[in-house]
Amino acid sequence: AQKITQTQPGMFVQEKEAVTLDCTYDTSDPSYGLFWYKQPSSGEMIFLIYQGSYDQQNATEGRYSLNFQKARKSANLVISASQLGDSAMYFCAMREGKITGNQFYFGTGTSLTVIP
Amino acid sequence: DVKVTQSSRYLVKRTGEKVFLECVQDMDHENMFWYRQDPGLGLRLIYFSYDVKMKEKGDIPEGYSVSREKKERFSLILESASTNQTSMYLCASATPWPGGSPLHFGNGTRLTVT
Repeated sequence: AQKITQTQPGMFVQEKEAVTLDCTYDTSDPSYGLFWYKQPSSGEMIFLIYQGSYDQQNATEGRYSLNFQKARKSANLVISASQLGDSAMYFCAMREGKITGNQFYFGTGTSLTVIP
Repeated sequence: DVKVTQSSRYLVKRTGEKVFLECVQDMDHENMFWYRQDPGLGLRLIYFSYDVKMKEKGDIPEGYSVSREKKERFSLILESASTNQTSMYLCASATPWPGGSPLHFGNGTRLTVT
């Protein structure tokens, strides 16, 4: 089974509007972390936001927020007030708290295009 | 500023060649990773290392090996390059779990095997 599922291969959003990128995850480990990364066309991977499985509040970083619904195993990224520079690939990732491994699992990504 | 440096941005090799991809990090991270990125497939883990001389296979280790002789350096080796190994290769490092330390990535090596 896929550890991380991103079901939106491509998304479009109007500039200044908000957009939600979906991410669901699969784990039986009670301790895990969820991450979102942005990859612009230049190819670099930029870390955006982190949510721990025990965190009570949804994480926020500037215009980015993570809508964490633990029971549904979803960790959607919300980008408010979209800008042209937000056009990029976005990857959701999970790290499980196992004793060995410490692997990061990635989804297949969502390509976001911001329309002027 | 923290840094993960991959030795080559672009690399062109011939089928059957032995290929070395080098990665160095300056953050004293115990964990290092090699991913392969292909369109529509996301990032797939090839190998990772949680300490010097320690390595674990990821999801797609076939055709690859790794070496970690020093903490800061993690090398990916293609023993006999094949055309289906044409891809973007990303090296990354992180501190061990627990904690919210993210992966820090290098800029990637785009490898073409002809």
